[in-house]
Amino acid sequence: EPEVTQTPSHQVTQMGQEVILRCVPISNHLYFYWYRQILGQKVEFLVSFYNNEISEKSEIFDDQFSVERPDGSNFTLKIRSTKLEDSAMYFCASKKDGNQPQHFGDGTRLSIL
Amino acid sequence: AQTVTQSQPEMSVQEAETVTLSCTYDTSESNYYLFWYKQPPSRQMILVIRQEAYKQQNATENRFSVNFQKAAKSFSLKISDSQLGDTAMYFCAFMKGTSGTYKYIFGTGTRLKVLA
Repeated sequence: EPEVTQTPSHQVTQMGQEVILRCVPISNHLYFYWYRQILGQKVEFLVSFYNNEISEKSEIFDDQFSVERPDGSNFTLKIRSTKLEDSAMYFCASKKDGNQPQHFGDGTRLSIL
Repeated sequence: AQTVTQSQPEMSVQEAETVTLSCTYDTSESNYYLFWYKQPPSRQMILVIRQEAYKQQNATENRFSVNFQKAAKSFSLKISDSQLGDTAMYFCAFMKGTSGTYKYIFGTGTRLKVLA
């Protein structure tokens, strides 16, 4: 069964550095998402992407965050200047069309030192 | 704004027994979907079951079933004949059904441990 894949599984970065988290959604899916889960807390929506543009973003998704789908297969989340509070598990998800369930990747654990 | 509440942070159940995880939500929408996802220690969230709000019949998937009470805004998950592999974090999620981003609103999760 096709899966959403995320790389790397664990990223350790110094505060202030840029980080790029990568995701390969399922190939015929049209809707793409990033969520984050701070340790011990709930999974929170960051951003949704459809038709090559952001369709919605949360208040967490400030100017330090950006997303791209550069080549029709990858879907990346970039954090320009990381902060300690960006430490979390980041999940990518995709879905085929509106009312279908989302499929999640394994997540990337981001640790900011 | 929609909210999802899971009031049981942790639960345990003996193998082969039945357990019910609770979830309540708040919304003014009439068209929406509800989901239960399982997140084992391997981390990937896996869909367990989904319920369309317009359907009165409760969804069932093998040993997993829901008790969907639309008026009470309640969506509990029943796991029958619990197995060791059911040990995981379980998240309840809400999604608006009308056109939009179809993002999920998650509850805080219930950590379920199945005991041998």
